[in-house]
Amino acid sequence: KAGVTQTPRYLIKTRGQQVTLSCSPISGHRSVSWYQQTPGQGLQFLFEYFSETQRNKGNFPGRFSGRQFSNSRSEMNVSTLELGDSALYLCASSFLWDSQETQYFGPGTRLLVL
Amino acid sequence: GESVGLHLPTLSVQEGDNSIINCAYSNSASDYFIWYKQESGKGPQFIIDIRSNMDKRQGQRVTVLLNKTVKHLSLQIAATQPGDSAVYFCAENTLLSGSGNTPLVFGKGTRLSVIA
Repeated sequence: KAGVTQTPRYLIKTRGQQVTLSCSPISGHRSVSWYQQTPGQGLQFLFEYFSETQRNKGNFPGRFSGRQFSNSRSEMNVSTLELGDSALYLCASSFLWDSQETQYFGPGTRLLVL
Repeated sequence: GESVGLHLPTLSVQEGDNSIINCAYSNSASDYFIWYKQESGKGPQFIIDIRSNMDKRQGQRVTVLLNKTVKHLSLQIAATQPGDSAVYFCAENTLLSGSGNTPLVFGKGTRLSVIA
């Protein structure tokens, strides 16, 4: 099976702009989670989607949003970018959201905000 | 708050030696634990997991030990190889009856360097 794919891999934006990142889960996986990774804060949970519904949400401002499509692909959007949003954004997928199973990660999108 | 942390930020080992990476967790309700390996420029890669009803689980060259009494998790890598050089994260969550899992909470990571 193909792994989790994320596009784009690299992105440079300026403050105030908005950005949309895309994630395609492993075929058959229906749960998609997003994480932000920075050197200072490590891996922090953003949100989780299952069957097009947000099931969990982390402690991030409302500028961070996401959605999931009927084919399980997911997008996350960050509006009004700030310098501190520079990070590696990781997507992970699993088959279900209500059983303890492995989440498989994509390679991430590295976002640089100038 | 509840968090998962690591005792050591860096670990250097000689090629062929065994490595032990430690993790302390504070949420006594956590019942599922995972170790991930992250190489430079890549996303975290699953290594091994363990549920709270177990205290040991073995994979290929890796063993995870869980001590619920002291809330400690460790990853042992046998015969460490240069390809094992990476950052290792522990993560945990809890299964909520009828409400899914809590999100994975990650430790800060330990950088393993293998000396050839």
